[in-house]
Amino acid sequence: NAGVTQTPKFQVLKTGQSMTLQCAQDMNHNSMYWYRQDPGMGLRLIYYSASEGTTDKGEVPNGYNVSRLNKREFSLRLESAAPSQTSVYFCASRLQGWTGELFFGEGSRLTVL
Amino acid sequence: GENVEQHPSTLSVQEGDSAVIKCTYSDSASNYFPWYKQELGKRPQLIIDIRSNVGEKKDQRIAVTLNKTAKHFSLHITETQPEDSAVYFCAAIYNDMRFGAGTRLTVKP
Repeated sequence: NAGVTQTPKFQVLKTGQSMTLQCAQDMNHNSMYWYRQDPGMGLRLIYYSASEGTTDKGEVPNGYNVSRLNKREFSLRLESAAPSQTSVYFCASRLQGWTGELFFGEGSRLTVL
Repeated sequence: GENVEQHPSTLSVQEGDSAVIKCTYSDSASNYFPWYKQELGKRPQLIIDIRSNVGEKKDQRIAVTLNKTAKHFSLHITETQPEDSAVYFCAAIYNDMRFGAGTRLTVKP
């Protein structure tokens, strides 16, 4: 099992460009999440999908959109990148419910110039 | 609000000493409180978790305690080693999973 796989691992964008971060999990998890982590900072939730067909905003959703393509895949899109979106992005997944370990991908380092 | 507050933000100890990190949560938290460790350049990984039907849980040198009345839970690391140096995050489930701001632990040899 690969666990949680996210691509790309590194990306440099110019202000105003768009891009999509891809995430897939092979653990048959219901819930999937996108977090961002700025240097020396904690993990802030951007969007999450509690189950296939649903998505909800987290703490910092502005400037992002998400798509839960199917049970395995959850993508994050930046429509018009801004320097403030320079960060490391983590996708994560877990079984639905009130307990259960959150499994993270390796992270995607995005730089917006 | 749906907040998890974590203290201290940095912690430096001598090898062999104990380290304690504390988190508080709001009324709407779930009954599940995990702790994650993130080494430099790596992804966060679960190290221990606790459910509200127990007050304490231990796993070798790591323990977590939960005080539901005071709405706080703590991570205790005994006999610290240099490889314990990392950033530690507490978390609580609301409708999603929210993390504390993290504690950077440095264990000096």
